[in-house]
Amino acid sequence: NAGVTQTPKFQVLKTGQSMTLQCAQDMNHEYMSWYRQDPGMGLRLIHYSVGAGITDQGEVPNGYNVSRSTTEDFPLRLLSAAPSQTSVYFCASRGQGWGNTEAFFGQGTRLTVV
Amino acid sequence: DAKTTQPPSMDCAEGRAANLPCNHSTISGNEYVYWYRQIHSQGPQYIIHGLKNNETNEMASLIITEDRKSSTLILPHATLRDTAVYYCIVRLTSNTGKLIFGQGTTLQVKP
Repeated sequence: NAGVTQTPKFQVLKTGQSMTLQCAQDMNHEYMSWYRQDPGMGLRLIHYSVGAGITDQGEVPNGYNVSRSTTEDFPLRLLSAAPSQTSVYFCASRGQGWGNTEAFFGQGTRLTVV
Repeated sequence: DAKTTQPPSMDCAEGRAANLPCNHSTISGNEYVYWYRQIHSQGPQYIIHGLKNNETNEMASLIITEDRKSSTLILPHATLRDTAVYYCIVRLTSNTGKLIFGQGTTLQVKP
């Protein structure tokens, strides 16, 4: 049971480069989310999705795009990386359930933009 | 979703109970209280949740006051591996899965 898998685990980008952080879950969860965590801070919500084809913005969406073409995958795209996007990124998924099920998190992608 | 207030840090002796408080004075009737923890920059891990009644599982107990304006997470016999940042979150039952994290409480379990 893989749970939530994020790739890559580490990445260094140059300012202005683009990349996609991958997130996949094998639990058939409807809900998926992306968070970023800066040093010494709590997690902040970037984007979330309630199902395939449906996404919405979280607390800090600027500079990031998402799409949800399948239930399993929820990639996060940085179109033009900036040093302010240096952070640890976490993906999470949750079943639809009755509204009170736990969320599962991936192990994170550590991104440095130089 | 209601905001929560937690102390920034706490210490606990190994083997003792760790009691982590959380204030959520603006909680509404259909909002659950959730606790997650994050060990050393790993992905957050679910601990427990509750609505009105006290809850217990293999990891912890959750005590919610009768007016639901505050709660306490109890780790009955803290170990060094329980050193982590603990987050208290309140969330609507109909919420779309998003969790809004605060700063959490850094619990340091000491030998």
